[in-house]
Amino acid sequence: GAVVSQHPSWVICKSGTSVKIECRSLDFQATTMFWYRQFPKQSLMLMATSNEGSKATYEQGVEKDKFLINHASLTLSTLTVTSAHPEDSSFYICSARGEDASRYEQYFGPGTRLTVT
Amino acid sequence: GNSVTQMEGPVTLSEEAFLTINCTYTATGYPSLFWYVQYPGEGLQLLLKATKADDKGSNKGFEATYRKETTSFHLEKGSVQVSDSAVYFCALSDQANAGKSTFGDGTTLTVKP
Repeated sequence: GAVVSQHPSWVICKSGTSVKIECRSLDFQATTMFWYRQFPKQSLMLMATSNEGSKATYEQGVEKDKFLINHASLTLSTLTVTSAHPEDSSFYICSARGEDASRYEQYFGPGTRLTVT
Repeated sequence: GNSVTQMEGPVTLSEEAFLTINCTYTATGYPSLFWYVQYPGEGLQLLLKATKADDKGSNKGFEATYRKETTSFHLEKGSVQVSDSAVYFCALSDQANAGKSTFGDGTTLTVKP
């Protein structure tokens, strides 16, 4: 149980275009989802926290107008990278936590590799 | 604020060697502690966890004990395999930080045959 999927697993887009990444909890209802960014050989950087039905809370330094997050249902959150540039190229990982989460345990998606050319 | 400090890598071991990856933390509340493993090109997988002091998390031969007195959660395995080669992240979450996770920098483990 507690499976989280991401789609797509990798995407290449041209500079200036927008890309949407989906994060789904497959077998549980995720009241909270987190979006992370990971640079090569580095740790995860939390970008934002999203709760179903409310606006996402962004970490300091993350542009909310550039990284649009929508948590429209208890099983789906989306991250849209708007007007992407090469510096947005990264590995994006989501995680989800259910209502009955055992002491703050999160379940991670497999990640999405974004390359902006 | 919360922080996690991990032993710097990379760590290279021979198969069947003993593994220790040190992890210490700073937290204002009573955190839950986690070890995650990341294989190349993949997301994070939960390896083990401990939710209160003196708890021991274990999975796939890996163990870690929540030591409140030393604020540590060191990862150990008695005999590593080539398939254990991956990046290991120590992390904590607590209510004081709205349940967000704080990660260490990760330790890359390479096991040679």
